[in-house]
Amino acid sequence: QKEVEQDPGPLSVPEGAIVSLNCTYSNSAFQYFMWYRQYSRKGPELLMYTYSSGNKEDGRFTAQVDKSSKYISLFIRDSQPSDSATYLCAMSRSNDYKLSFGAGTTVTVRA
Amino acid sequence: EAGVTQFPSHSVIEKGQTVTLRCDPISGHDNLYWYRRVMGKEIKFLLHFVKESKQDESGMPNNRFLAERTGGTYSTLKVQPAELEDSGVYFCASSQARHSPLHFGNGTRLTVT
Repeated sequence: QKEVEQDPGPLSVPEGAIVSLNCTYSNSAFQYFMWYRQYSRKGPELLMYTYSSGNKEDGRFTAQVDKSSKYISLFIRDSQPSDSATYLCAMSRSNDYKLSFGAGTTVTVRA
Repeated sequence: EAGVTQFPSHSVIEKGQTVTLRCDPISGHDNLYWYRRVMGKEIKFLLHFVKESKQDESGMPNNRFLAERTGGTYSTLKVQPAELEDSGVYFCASSQARHSPLHFGNGTRLTVT
């Protein structure tokens, strides 16, 4: 079983729609949760960084962490064609720094 | 602020040859990491430097891989001799402190034929 499960998609939505992405994980030791965006031929770019459970909002992006369910989500409101990318969840334990990544979900926002 | 820089961006080598990848972290970032994504798999941790010291190299696949960070600035990752299964994208990342967000470079795409 993988430590982090993420549906690779692909996911295609019309411009303006809400994009909903999620990951599940098996290791309850994970404390830090991240979402990265990766454009083609580029490196992962940090979007959201949260510690423990709860919600965090930054502009059109909202990250949710539910540690009791071992489930994290990323919502993108008012999606734009420029949001078309691969979205990766990542997480780490409190006592180390190694990130465990999901497989990434490819998102296309249609104009 | 300049980001994490990696080169070459792409390398094609034959099986048995040697390749050296280079990473220049963000200035002032003591923590430097190497990650790798092979085809169809998730991005996986390879190793972690704090300044010039290797903190954790538990993700290194085997002794054909050698990472160095002389002087605590840039880092190199050498693969010698390269095998077909080494093909993938090698990412370098850096951070200011432990549990600070990681900043990734654009990666080196390695193809071993």
